[in-house]
Amino acid sequence: NAGVTQTPKFQVLKTGQSMTLQCAQDMNHEYMSWYRQDPGMGLRLIHYSVGAGITDQGEVPNGYNVSRSTTEDFPLRLLSAAPSQTSVYFCASSLRDVGYEQYFGPGTRLTVT
Amino acid sequence: GENVEQHPSTLSVQEGDSAVIKCTYSDSASNYFPWYKQELGKRPQLIIDIRSNVGEKKDQRIAVTLNKTAKHFSLHITETQPEDSAVYFCAASSSTGGFKTIFGAGTRLFVKA
Repeated sequence: NAGVTQTPKFQVLKTGQSMTLQCAQDMNHEYMSWYRQDPGMGLRLIHYSVGAGITDQGEVPNGYNVSRSTTEDFPLRLLSAAPSQTSVYFCASSLRDVGYEQYFGPGTRLTVT
Repeated sequence: GENVEQHPSTLSVQEGDSAVIKCTYSDSASNYFPWYKQELGKRPQLIIDIRSNVGEKKDQRIAVTLNKTAKHFSLHITETQPEDSAVYFCAASSSTGGFKTIFGAGTRLFVKA
């Protein structure tokens, strides 16, 4: 099993550009989530999904969109990048909803200039 | 909204000593409390977790305690070793009002040899 994979590893965007961060898991997990990690602020939940076709907002959803058309994939879209979105982004998955270990991907380091 | 506070933000101990990290949470519906360890440049990984119907759990040198009345939970590491040096995150999960895991800001633990 590859576990949770994310692409790209690094990305530099200019303000106003859009892009999609990819996340995939091969463990048949129902629950997937996106976090951003900023120094001194821990991991903040952006969006999550409890299954294909179902998504919901986390703590900091503004500026991001998600969709879940398959169990395996959970892409995160930045609509119009802003310098405040410079961060490390982690995707995670767990067998079911809360109450199960979350497996994290390797992260994507995003810089917006 | 839901909040998890974690203290201290930095902790330095001598090899062989014990380390204690404390967290408090605000959402009384939280029922699952995981702890994650993140080494420099790596992804977070689960080290121990506890559910709301349990007061204490131990796994070798690591233990977690939970006081639901006070909304406190703590991580205890005994006989610390240099490889315990990392950032540790507490988290609280709830399925009320959505399926969310809220993380603390993290504790950077240094174990001096």
